[in-house]
Amino acid sequence: GESVGLHLPTLSVQEGDNSIINCAYSNSASDYFIWYKQESGKGPQFIIDIRSNMDKRQGQRVTVLLNKTVKHLSLQIAATQPGDSAVYFCAESVNTGNQFYFGTGTSLTVIP
Amino acid sequence: GAGVSQSPRYKVAKRGQDVALRCDPISGHVSLFWYQQALGQGPEFLTYFQNEAQLDKSGLPSDRFFAERPEGSVSTLKIQRTQQEDSAVYLCASSFWGLAVTYEQYFGPGTRLTVT
Repeated sequence: GESVGLHLPTLSVQEGDNSIINCAYSNSASDYFIWYKQESGKGPQFIIDIRSNMDKRQGQRVTVLLNKTVKHLSLQIAATQPGDSAVYFCAESVNTGNQFYFGTGTSLTVIP
Repeated sequence: GAGVSQSPRYKVAKRGQDVALRCDPISGHVSLFWYQQALGQGPEFLTYFQNEAQLDKSGLPSDRFFAERPEGSVSTLKIQRTQQEDSAVYLCASSFWGLAVTYEQYFGPGTRLTVT
């Protein structure tokens, strides 16, 4: 099956700094990607998505970059806040499918 | 209730017992998904419903796992003869759209199952 993995399992940043979380995917047919945030004891929460016909998409304080050439996704969080501390997952899907494939996750800790 | 709810939130079962996990999706949501999340791992797809139809059950790990959504709203995931490897958090997600996964899914808080 598809393989979605993250380069860094843990990341610590100072409050106010920018964070970058990376993700690699292996299925070149994947054409839809989502970043999720999961806090302890809660289900994943949608952050931002991107389709394969785009290479960048911006939300509120977050930006997702997609590099299809090297099958790489990144999530950039601007001015990281303590409330951003959580595990972040990237997930990939083929548009015509019913399944998302999630990576292992990166634990982000924001140091006040 | 504005979000997806799941019950129970925690379940401890002795090996060999049957369990039933309930998911109440957001009202009006057509699609419903079940995922299994092992500790420290990302969610893994189990099965998908569009209304009452189970369109994909390829992720169910064995025939001990069974899911239903008889009226197209509430869903139940049943695990028969539980084994220790079934210990995980079971997440339910729903989506307004009936078109597979390419729209935002809203996740419930999950049910943590521990098999002793």
